[in-house]
Amino acid sequence: DTGVSQDPRHKITKRGQNVTFRCDPISEHNRLYWYRQTLGQGPEFLTYFQNEAQLEKSRLLSDRFSAERPKGSFSTLEIQRTEQGDSAMYLCASSLSRLAGHSSYNEQFFGPGTRLTVL
Amino acid sequence: AQSVSQHNHHVILSEAASLELGCNYSYGGTVNLFWYVQYPGQHLQLLLKYFSGDPLVKGIKGFEAEFIKSKFSFNLRKPSVQWSDTAEYFCAAQNTNAGKSTFGDGTTLTVKP
Repeated sequence: DTGVSQDPRHKITKRGQNVTFRCDPISEHNRLYWYRQTLGQGPEFLTYFQNEAQLEKSRLLSDRFSAERPKGSFSTLEIQRTEQGDSAMYLCASSLSRLAGHSSYNEQFFGPGTRLTVL
Repeated sequence: AQSVSQHNHHVILSEAASLELGCNYSYGGTVNLFWYVQYPGQHLQLLLKYFSGDPLVKGIKGFEAEFIKSKFSFNLRKPSVQWSDTAEYFCAAQNTNAGKSTFGDGTTLTVKP
C-alpha cells in the first residue's frame, strides 16, 4: 500500500504524559499536513510542511505541540504534558504541490489517523 | 476569516432517492473546493475536486458537484443513492495561494435499504 500511513493508530495516555505520533506520506509528495478532528466536527488545520520547512502553524497549536519533518520525508507530532482536551483524532495528509500560473493545486491524501485518548 | 458551512448535519434517505448536500464557503480570493467522504471505520477519501474550468465536476461513484461563484456554494449531488453511500461527507475549501484546507463540520448521510 503506497498511501499515507500513521503510527500508532490508537494511543491511550495519562494526563501530563508526552506522546509522539508518526506520519509517513506518499513518497513523492512534497507537502505534509497535520489536522485534528474531534467528534462532530471536521478536521482542523494544525500545521504543514513543504519538504522539511514548516510553513504555517495554526493559532490553535499551543506551545505544547511541536512537529518536525527532518529530512522532508516522514513527520512527527509531539504533544507534551497532555491534557484531556487533547483527546482527538490526529490526521496526517500529504500532497504534491503543483503550480499553474499564480495558483497552486494541492490535492491532499489522508492517512487513517491516530486516535488519542487522554485519561 | 475563512470558513466552510455545511447546512445539513444529518440526512436520512431511502435507497434510490436523490441527494443534495449544501456547502457554502467564505473565503477571500480564489479557492479550490473539495468533497471528501468517510465511510464507517475508514479514512477520508476524496470524492471530487474543483480547481478551475467547468463548474460542474464529476467525481467517483456517481457524485457530482456544482460550483456557483455568485452564491459561494459547492453543493454535492447524486441522482440515486445506495445503501453503500452511508457515510460522513465533508466539504473543504483551500485558498489557491496557501496549502491548508478549511473543512466544514460534515454531514452524516444514512441510506435506508
